[in-house]
Amino acid sequence: DTEVTQTPKHLVMGMTNKKSLKCEQHMGHRAMYWYKQKAKKPPELMFVYSYEKLSINESVPSRFSPECPNSSLLNLHLHALQPEDSALYLCASSQQVRIYSGNTIYFGEGSWLTVV
Amino acid sequence: AQTVTQSQPEMSVQEAETVTLSCTYDTSESDYYLFWYKQPPSRQMILVIRQEAYKQQNATENRFSVNFQKAAKSFSLKISDSQLGDAAMYFCAYRRNTGNQFYFGTGTSLTVIP
Repeated sequence: DTEVTQTPKHLVMGMTNKKSLKCEQHMGHRAMYWYKQKAKKPPELMFVYSYEKLSINESVPSRFSPECPNSSLLNLHLHALQPEDSALYLCASSQQVRIYSGNTIYFGEGSWLTVV
Repeated sequence: AQTVTQSQPEMSVQEAETVTLSCTYDTSESDYYLFWYKQPPSRQMILVIRQEAYKQQNATENRFSVNFQKAAKSFSLKISDSQLGDAAMYFCAYRRNTGNQFYFGTGTSLTVIP
């Protein structure tokens, strides 16, 4: 079962709101990712967690705060966002490299965020 | 830094015909992985095919096959017997043998004409 589940599928929030995006996988993957994607553009990496520890932060503004409560869950906390932050937010997971079949990244369906 | 280039922003193909999407990449590594992902309007990025750089044999998955030219750093995707459901954005991606970063190309939007 290669499934990454994201909730909510759609989120509309005001610039003063606090909300969270959630992601879950049960494939035993130890690397989890947040990507941001604008229409007709490739995904842009935001954060990578490896073994529940933040390993990559691509200079993302602090209004985005990731959290990895355990090996299956990944959250993205949102606060004081700007309209330009409106985008599709994709969660993904993979095994670490050097593990057989561990080099593929699996994506969720995404959470479409609109900031008003 | 690794870069992945897709020089065809848009492509179209007649249903049942064959189309080839281009991808080139830049790397100094000798061991890495290459991928083609499909993203239909439903949004989910789906793995189409994967190639390990140390394998000389081109990967195939049913109607999808790649032409991997390591020396030329080229990784094209051939879709045979195109179907309406193949219409999507296609992203080429590169992953180093170490680390967790994937590098994506800018994408090719494929239209399938009935």
